[in-house]
Amino acid sequence: GESVGLHLPTLSVQEGDNSIINCAYSNSASDYFIWYKQESGKGPQFIIDIRSNMDKRQGQRVTVLLNKTVKHLSLQIAATQPGDSAVYFCAENRRRGGGNKLTFGTGTQLKVEL
Amino acid sequence: DTGVSQDPRHKITKRGQNVTFRCDPISEHNRLYWYRQTLGQGPEFLTYFQNEAQLEKSRLLSDRFSAERPKGSFSTLEIQRTEQGDSAMYLCASSLNPDRSYEQYFGPGTRLTVT
Repeated sequence: GESVGLHLPTLSVQEGDNSIINCAYSNSASDYFIWYKQESGKGPQFIIDIRSNMDKRQGQRVTVLLNKTVKHLSLQIAATQPGDSAVYFCAENRRRGGGNKLTFGTGTQLKVEL
Repeated sequence: DTGVSQDPRHKITKRGQNVTFRCDPISEHNRLYWYRQTLGQGPEFLTYFQNEAQLEKSRLLSDRFSAERPKGSFSTLEIQRTEQGDSAMYLCASSLNPDRSYEQYFGPGTRLTVT
């Protein structure tokens, strides 16, 4: 498959370790923050969302943390597996006055080493 | 496979030619989005439909770009007089729940190369 990110920031982790992917956002008016995963040759895939009035949300093996003070979002993946290897994008959605579009940030390439 | 299909998967064209891409969303999804993605970047929003109505267009969408969703089902994106700068992956996405419109299901994309 083709690579979707040739010069992306890269995070390399050992299989079984926890991964933390970070994202800085700019729009304080965003209502939701979302993480998407994009595997080589595929479109982005929704992982998890967090509403702007929350600071933490957990899913299956994933946790998203939101720090509005410093406009920072992180995705934590527990017990990282080879299938987690992909490019991860954070995205913002502003429902009032922002329509329904997603504004994506710069991705991070996660590489899982066996 | 998310259920969103795009055709063709790859398109090579010469500068100045017109191209048209098709997107078939998940059947019950009434919202359809087009994005453009270049290497190393996140997808950039182009336009959005709710049923057959085109409700929002990005400033990125120049006059050479036009999108339609005539029956509220499939959509087409046409680029006229292609330029080398149009080379990119064109992604289509659909969503169902208006309260969770940010949860979008993306197709595999159409890779456009303009020579």
